[in-house]
Amino acid sequence: DAKTTQPPSMDCAEGRAANLPCNHSTISGNEYVYWYRQIHSQGPQYIIHGLKNNETNEMASLIITEDRKSSTLILPHATLRDTAVYYCIVRVNYGQNFVFGPGTRLSVLP
Amino acid sequence: KAGVTQTPRYLIKTRGQQVTLSCSPISGHRSVSWYQQTPGQGLQFLFEYFSETQRNKGNFPGRFSGRQFSNSRSEMNVSTLELGDSALYLCASSLIGQGETQYFGPGTRLLVL
Repeated sequence: DAKTTQPPSMDCAEGRAANLPCNHSTISGNEYVYWYRQIHSQGPQYIIHGLKNNETNEMASLIITEDRKSSTLILPHATLRDTAVYYCIVRVNYGQNFVFGPGTRLSVLP
Repeated sequence: KAGVTQTPRYLIKTRGQQVTLSCSPISGHRSVSWYQQTPGQGLQFLFEYFSETQRNKGNFPGRFSGRQFSNSRSEMNVSTLELGDSALYLCASSLIGQGETQYFGPGTRLLVL
């Protein structure tokens, strides 16, 4: 089973920041938080990952709470092309692969 | 670098047949993982190969098998196809696996009639 909890769906207005929350209250100290997204019928796309510090790249920012029990993915200026299912994944442990939950379906509205 | 490629992109088979899907990882990546995605079960891990050896396996029946070649390319095979095998099959590669960032291909959509 996935170790994360995400809202099933969210809406965001085009041009506004999209903030996608994720709860991972049982995360272990050496586990990373990964975010992927999947645009309809395509392969999942890697977005960002982090351990405990906030991370930023050209696609998004990842904010991880100090206790690491939750995180937020921020798309600073959402566009219609950001409409997708967003998966928050905690890497289970070495020797295992990613376990995907149902994710959050983000709809960016014009 | 070119991304992960999968062939074929679409496939139609009938029950009882077998199918082989192919995956070419990103150049230099040695780990290849396979996933099945269905509307009902979501994305589920099938198996992972590294250096031509299966390193991890998900909870799928023995009809699902795979292999990896010395150039890291991988194939997966499904024998005695069932209607429930209709799915998007995704391949992902990473440098050495073991929880590293995985990069996914576009998938092969299999329809079993």
